[in-house]
Amino acid sequence: SQKIEQNSEALNIQEGKTATLTCNYTNYSPAYLQWYRQDPGRGPVFLLLIRENEKEKRKERLKVTFDTTLKQSLFHITASQPADSATYLCALGGGGATNKLIFGTGTLLAVQP
Amino acid sequence: SAVISQKPSRDICQRGTSLTIQCQVDSQVTMMFWYRQQPGQSLTLIATANQGSEATYESGFVIDKFPISRPNLTFSTLTVSNMSPEDSSIYLCSVGAARNQPQHFGDGTRLSIL
Repeated sequence: SQKIEQNSEALNIQEGKTATLTCNYTNYSPAYLQWYRQDPGRGPVFLLLIRENEKEKRKERLKVTFDTTLKQSLFHITASQPADSATYLCALGGGGATNKLIFGTGTLLAVQP
Repeated sequence: SAVISQKPSRDICQRGTSLTIQCQVDSQVTMMFWYRQQPGQSLTLIATANQGSEATYESGFVIDKFPISRPNLTFSTLTVSNMSPEDSSIYLCSVGAARNQPQHFGDGTRLSIL
């Protein structure tokens, strides 16, 4: 069955450093991959979408890469700030017969001042 | 982007009872969805709420347990019926152009069953 893996352990980094979060998947060939941010007590907020034919996408301090050979996406936040502390979810879509978003469990990022 | 309001934001219920969650959007939207987010788990799609017709349920979810209404393009309800402690979860409403497109979420309803 389709499986998405994100680091279950929290990622702790120092303010100003680059945070890198990983999303690995198996048994799936998504047409695209999405990243969301979720704060405690809030719903997920859409950040970025990258398609299977795109290697990299940027938005302000965010960068996403998508390697369909490795079946992996990396999500980078440069010059991280304490306000970036949240849980980040990856979601796959557009592949297979299910035609729905499949979410990972998320990685908690904590940026220390 | 659309502003989505969910009510109630949280509730504590007795087992065997039912609770209806409301989702109101500030603009007309094509697609509305209901998700469940159990503690430590990923978001799981329950169903797509279809305007004027029966909802489309995902595998593992049935209408008798999770009846859904969508009377117009800005409003939907999800009922969690005959609740048990296993139904304790966060229930989220979302909107989007399609099931696999970027979605905008409400802040969810935190449901605890005693």
